[in-house]
Amino acid sequence: GAGVSQSPSNKVTEKGKDVELRCDPISGHTALYWYRQSLGQGLEFLIYFQGNSAPDKSGLPSDRFSAERTGGSVSTLTIQRTQQEDSAVYLCASSWGTGDYEQYFGPGTRLTVT
Amino acid sequence: GDSVTQMEGPVTLSEEAFLTINCTYTATGYPSLFWYVQYPGEGLQLLLKATKADDKGSNKGFEATYRKETTSFHLEKGSVQVSDSAVYFCALRRSGGSYIPTFGRGTSLIVHP
Repeated sequence: GAGVSQSPSNKVTEKGKDVELRCDPISGHTALYWYRQSLGQGLEFLIYFQGNSAPDKSGLPSDRFSAERTGGSVSTLTIQRTQQEDSAVYLCASSWGTGDYEQYFGPGTRLTVT
Repeated sequence: GDSVTQMEGPVTLSEEAFLTINCTYTATGYPSLFWYVQYPGEGLQLLLKATKADDKGSNKGFEATYRKETTSFHLEKGSVQVSDSAVYFCALRRSGGSYIPTFGRGTSLIVHP
């Protein structure tokens, strides 16, 4: 079956522009997670959804970052007025729920802000 | 707060060598411990896990033992292959709440023929 997919795989943007990153979770997975992987750093948790609700937004680095999920499926992470420090790989994961379930990761979107 | 510390890489080995990647953690209570692997161009995949002290997780020839007394979860493999070249992440997850894992920084493994 299809795994978690993310698009685009690579995105190069100019400083100050807005970007949208998309995540398609595994069908039936109700929980969806966004992480950021910067060079030499571990995975930094950004936000998670249970259904269409985001109970925990504490990981978003600034108010330039937002995310939404519609229909309990596709999620979009939006970064407004991008900065060079936003350059990273953005990973999405999904799971059957927010309990003790395995998270399945997508291949990521590599964002480069010039 | 919770934290995971991994040995810095890259770790460079010849094929069939013995592998150890150290991982120690700080957490209250009794977290579950995980190793994930990230092959080039791919997302993270769960490699193995252990949910309580003295448990041994194993998969694909890799193994790690949950050591509560030393707060460690070192990854080992007796004979590495070129195809094991990847980045390995140690992680912990506490029960309850949102079950968000805490990840280490990752250790790159390069295996030469």
